[in-house]
Amino acid sequence: SQQGEEDPQALSIQEGENATMNCSYKTSINNLQWYRQNSGRGLVHLILIRSNEREKHSGRLRVTLDTSKKSSSLLITASRAADTASYFCATAGGSNYKLTFGKGTLLTVNP
Amino acid sequence: IAGITQAPTSQILAAGRRMTLRCTQDMRHNAMYWYRQDLGLGLRLIHYSNTAGTTGKGEVPDGYSVSRANTDDFPLTLASAVPSQTSVYFCASSRETNTEAFFGQGTRLTVV
Repeated sequence: SQQGEEDPQALSIQEGENATMNCSYKTSINNLQWYRQNSGRGLVHLILIRSNEREKHSGRLRVTLDTSKKSSSLLITASRAADTASYFCATAGGSNYKLTFGKGTLLTVNP
Repeated sequence: IAGITQAPTSQILAAGRRMTLRCTQDMRHNAMYWYRQDLGLGLRLIHYSNTAGTTGKGEVPDGYSVSRANTDDFPLTLASAVPSQTSVYFCASSRETNTEAFFGQGTRLTVV
């Protein structure tokens, strides 16, 4: 079964608002990664957070990781219409030397 | 330009036919992956390779085979295609299994 599960499945917000997506996973990890996919395209890596890190920032992105709860969140601040895409979390490491993905959150940012 | 290339970009295939999806990367990455993406199911790992000469099974390996004869190439073969293998297939690579992955643009396969 898939390691990561994103929540919500779909999210619709207005431009300028913040968007928060969550990811839960099942087993120990080395790191957790977030990816973005525009419709019909390949995935693009956004940010990686290691298991010994609790928070990481990259531009308008903020990622948190709680290994005790086996969960992560991705916050996109001041969203733009161009942020409309699907967002996936992926887990790597631990006893699982594979990069496995969740089902994704479809984010729609309305202008 | 460094990156990962998949071919073909799309294909319509008759059921029962054999098909090989090609994937090549020029970043000298050790790890490579094949995923299929289906609506509502996200990305599911088919097979992976941690380094040249080794391969492993993912979540949904049945009906697929891979080889990793060298660092750059990681072809995915459907020995006898079935309609349930209709999907978008993505190849990816990463420097190591735990690092950032780079994706190809995908192959849209329709089995009829």
